[in-house]
Amino acid sequence: QSVLTQPPSASGTPGQRVTISCSGSSSNIGSNTVNWYQQLPGTAPKLLIYSNNQRPSGVPDRFSGSKSGTSASLAISGLQSEDEADYYCAAWDDSLNAYWVFGGGTKLTVL
Amino acid sequence: EVQLVESGGGLVQPGGSLRLSCAASGFTFSSYSMNWVRQAPGKGLEWVSYISSSSSTIYYADSVKGRFTISRDNAKNSLYLQMNSLRAEDTAVYYCARAILYGPHDYWGQGTLVTVSS
Repeated sequence: QSVLTQPPSASGTPGQRVTISCSGSSSNIGSNTVNWYQQLPGTAPKLLIYSNNQRPSGVPDRFSGSKSGTSASLAISGLQSEDEADYYCAAWDDSLNAYWVFGGGTKLTVL
Repeated sequence: EVQLVESGGGLVQPGGSLRLSCAASGFTFSSYSMNWVRQAPGKGLEWVSYISSSSSTIYYADSVKGRFTISRDNAKNSLYLQMNSLRAEDTAVYYCARAILYGPHDYWGQGTLVTVSS
């Protein structure tokens, strides 16, 4: 059972816009920034979005993040076949002995 | 180019021990805190341990506290994870990842698979 809650799956057709949600609590998303990771099949996770809505160098602007209260969202516009991957949200948690917590991951399928 | 390369994984019996290593290059290793994050087969990511740049601050997830020990050698640009009293539920790909306290894990290694089975 992950501390952050994500839908297990999402899908879209090429060119569409899809969003993936991430729900937490006041001790994590509610009081700290959210990061998103993309994990392509058989590879290591890659930082996609940090500090709620910042993109590391090299990440296309088709990817965007937002946060409101104890929830966050990742949006992917102009969906491409190479976006098919697992996406994870993460945040620091202020609870005792919690530290970094992750969502369970969302598998994005490009139809 | 930042590179993190893990090694040391393998098959170990329950109750056994294993030591993972992570060789870092492409950045000033001694200036950055480091982490271990694991992923059980077909499952999500789980943070395991954190060590500050000078080794003065160390944290562990409750699931490994008392059994795992994180350490680093800044002269060798290397991060380690000593894993003792291994259990079946420790079976996972273990990634080393760079992250400042409270911050994002901005670089990840390719991972090393640890399988705990008799």
